[in-house]
Amino acid sequence: GEDVEQSLFLSVREGDSSVINCTYTDSSSTYLYWYKQEPGAGLQLLTYIFSNMDMKQDQRLTVLLNKKDKHLSLRIADTQTGDSAIYFCAVVYNQGGKLIFGQGTELSVKP
Amino acid sequence: GAVVSQHPSWVICKSGTSVKIECRSLDFQATTMFWYRQFPKQSLMLMATSNEGSKATYEQGVEKDKFLINHASLTLSTLTVTSAHPEDSSFYICSAHGTSGGTDTQYFGPGTRLTVL
Repeated sequence: GEDVEQSLFLSVREGDSSVINCTYTDSSSTYLYWYKQEPGAGLQLLTYIFSNMDMKQDQRLTVLLNKKDKHLSLRIADTQTGDSAIYFCAVVYNQGGKLIFGQGTELSVKP
Repeated sequence: GAVVSQHPSWVICKSGTSVKIECRSLDFQATTMFWYRQFPKQSLMLMATSNEGSKATYEQGVEKDKFLINHASLTLSTLTVTSAHPEDSSFYICSAHGTSGGTDTQYFGPGTRLTVL
């Protein structure tokens, strides 16, 4: 089955850039997503990228997709303390359109 | 657009009782909704896929008689935890599959914290 892997923790200083990485095994997903989860809350769709794109930029967010290496990354420019949260990457699993999530990366932003 | 609500946001119940959680898509119709549970510091675990007007599809290892899912309309799915026990305590999150602004994805509710005493 599909497997999605993320590193568990990332700590950065306010104003720095954050890069959260994700690898996956099934390359047939049309969309690849990044979600943000704040403590005690549901998931918020941050951004997504089509599988035929290499890069997508949306304000402070940049998504890079390397299909050959099955690697997805999320870069947050000028990271703020409000960006502290858990970030999940997700790919669509062919069987029934299910989302398969990575373990989540906890981003800690220090002032 | 693409707002999903859940009710209640938290619930505390006694062991052996049943609890119903509602998931609503507020501004779009969702033929498919998903139910997840999440343990602290862990990822989301898909429990079942709920299709409007038909039986839910449960993931391996999820007891269908314990977690009853009803998807009676295009905007409402319910999850009933029957005869709840302390090990059922968890954060339950629903999502609704929809399209908003050209993006085809799942939109998540805010979650329901269930505590079984």
